Amino acid sequence: DVKVTQSSRYLVKRTGEKVFLECVQDMDHENMFWYRQDPGLGLRLIYFSYDVKMKEKGDIPEGYSVSREKKERFSLILESASTNQTSMYLCASSQSQLRQPQHFGDGTRLSIL
Amino acid sequence: AQSVTQPDIHITVSEGASLELRCNYSYGATPYLFWYVQSPGQGLQLLLKYFSGDTLVQGIKGFEAEFKRSQSSFNLRKPSVHWSDAAEYFCAVRSNSGYALNFGKGTSLLVTP
Repeated sequence: DVKVTQSSRYLVKRTGEKVFLECVQDMDHENMFWYRQDPGLGLRLIYFSYDVKMKEKGDIPEGYSVSREKKERFSLILESASTNQTSMYLCASSQSQLRQPQHFGDGTRLSIL
Repeated sequence: AQSVTQPDIHITVSEGASLELRCNYSYGATPYLFWYVQSPGQGLQLLLKYFSGDTLVQGIKGFEAEFKRSQSSFNLRKPSVHWSDAAEYFCAVRSNSGYALNFGKGTSLLVTP
């Protein structure tokens, strides 16, 4: 089975801090994704990566950056955390073929105080 | 751009009753469609997917979905609901980029005794 592991289930940070969310997948997938999930808004794509060191902006990239130095690891960075970034963050990975589904981690619930 | 609409925010069914969750998509060609389920505090689990062929797709946990091009729909069904099916259900379509998924806002399912 594909395993996507997010480093923290719950995280509490303060406004202005630089925050790192880490995600690791063990199936040699080419694609990796970061979504944020908010009640009533569903999942919204922040960034994705289709190869090492490659990244593309999603629908809501403002205030975020990403890093993919190794194929199995995809990091989401909040450069200067703000309260409106309090949310559930979900990482996913997939093979490159279009018909292949995405596999999700259990999520990180991030609170910015 | 490809998008999906889930018209029902909440649905309540009795245990043992049948279930149908609605999903309408917007896409010119044959879309790649997915249904995911999210239990409280968990990530998303793939239930089933459709990209071509037989329009009735079987998934895990006894779920099925039917692709209807004429109605631009991909509704999820289950003949007899169990209390453990209570969760949030998301319909998704592959995005224009071919990499990411566009998700509906989700339908929350409550199962009563």
